[in-house]
Amino acid sequence: DADVTQTPRNRITKTGKRIMLECSQTKGHDRMYWYRQDPGLGLRLIYYSFDVKDINKGEISDGYSVSRQAQAKFSLSLESAIPNQTALYFCATRPSGGAGGYTFGSGTRLTVV
Amino acid sequence: AQSVTQLDSHVSVSEGTPVLLRCNYSSSYSPSLFWYVQHPNKGLQLLLKYTSAATLVKGINGFEAEFKKSETSFHLTKPSAHMSDAAEYFCVVSENSSASKIIFGSGTRLSIRP
Repeated sequence: DADVTQTPRNRITKTGKRIMLECSQTKGHDRMYWYRQDPGLGLRLIYYSFDVKDINKGEISDGYSVSRQAQAKFSLSLESAIPNQTALYFCATRPSGGAGGYTFGSGTRLTVV
Repeated sequence: AQSVTQLDSHVSVSEGTPVLLRCNYSSSYSPSLFWYVQHPNKGLQLLLKYTSAATLVKGINGFEAEFKKSETSFHLTKPSAHMSDAAEYFCVVSENSSASKIIFGSGTRLSIRP
């Protein structure tokens, strides 16, 4: 099994629909992150969580919400999807403290039509 | 504030020739620096990381990078390119502070000519 699992892998949804992207990790790490990737922009941080009770907005949180259901689970929701949210979304985890590398999921490709 | 700049959006080299992917950073603190690779339709994979130990860092698949504080650079190199190296590469900076957020560069697409 992958260390970080994202579901679904691909999704096409209509404008205005609510959609949830799910992420689970088996690394046992406290910190989890959601990023979106757009061509030429690299990855941009949407939300991050240092533990179940600590959730923080990233640089582009508008239009998104998150839920940290457990240490291992961190879901991202688009309450009312819009076309400019079409992107590749990555979930990541890393250990607390220090400067350990991140482990990324394989990504969810979301298309909003 | 921290930032990272990848100087080339696209690099094309011939198979068997050296690879150089350039990255410059700025950071208020002692940074940790990473290179990640993303193959088409795949997730991100850590190539190597610098965390204030040796300035020359060796990673997977023959890649290495040198941390140069005076030049605020962390360029990625490989002596001899292989066709399987074709991918997108991201330079990442993370401040060694309690906030511990990371900033990704915009990516460099590496193409390998046969």
